[in-house]
Amino acid sequence: DSGVTQTPKHLITATGQRVTLRCSPRSGDLSVYWYQQSLDQGLQFLIQYYNGEERAKGNILERFSAQQFPDLHSELNLSSLELGDSALYFCASSAPVAGMPDGYTFGSGTRLTVV
Amino acid sequence: AQSVAQPEDQVNVAEGNPLTVKCTYSVSGNPYLFWYVQYPNRGLQFLLKYITGDNLVKGSYGFEAEFNKSQTSFHLKKPSALVSDSALYFCAVRGENRDDKIIFGKGTRLHILP
Repeated sequence: DSGVTQTPKHLITATGQRVTLRCSPRSGDLSVYWYQQSLDQGLQFLIQYYNGEERAKGNILERFSAQQFPDLHSELNLSSLELGDSALYFCASSAPVAGMPDGYTFGSGTRLTVV
Repeated sequence: AQSVAQPEDQVNVAEGNPLTVKCTYSVSGNPYLFWYVQYPNRGLQFLLKYITGDNLVKGSYGFEAEFNKSQTSFHLKKPSALVSDSALYFCAVRGENRDDKIIFGKGTRLHILP
């Protein structure tokens, strides 16, 4: 167990629908990162939050949005789903340590299948 | 801008032989380098990192990586491969600024042949 919890583990939904993926970061970590992993695109950075505020944006579609709550858990909302949105969605967290860059701790992911 | 390249999509190695998974990077200033491994249907697991100091970094499961500043490389190595090492390996880099995020390579699939 990495300490980063993602729910649900699997999600099957129809095109046009909306889903919410949830992530609880490792205890003490303030940063949360969302990644999308598909077979042909590798690991794509979507968005980062730090202590409740958006810090960086990557290749995130306008149909997708995220937020980080006061308890530091984060949710990724995917709407108007398309077949091409089928992928593994990972959450990672990290802790800022002065003078020492931290790696990321990854959750086990949510596998989204759009049918 | 930061970038990382893994030139091989797949590497095949016979069990017991040494293995190398290649990685080159580009970053302004001092690099911080990482290797992660992903087993099927699992998240990425941290293997090792280079921050500063000795160019040879030892990590989990007998893996090590060599930092070469002049060649901007950080190749992953293991002296004797195991079938259980078969997985997807990601190299990653970040810059030294506090707000720099980690950039991942596309991954290299390692097949260890029995």
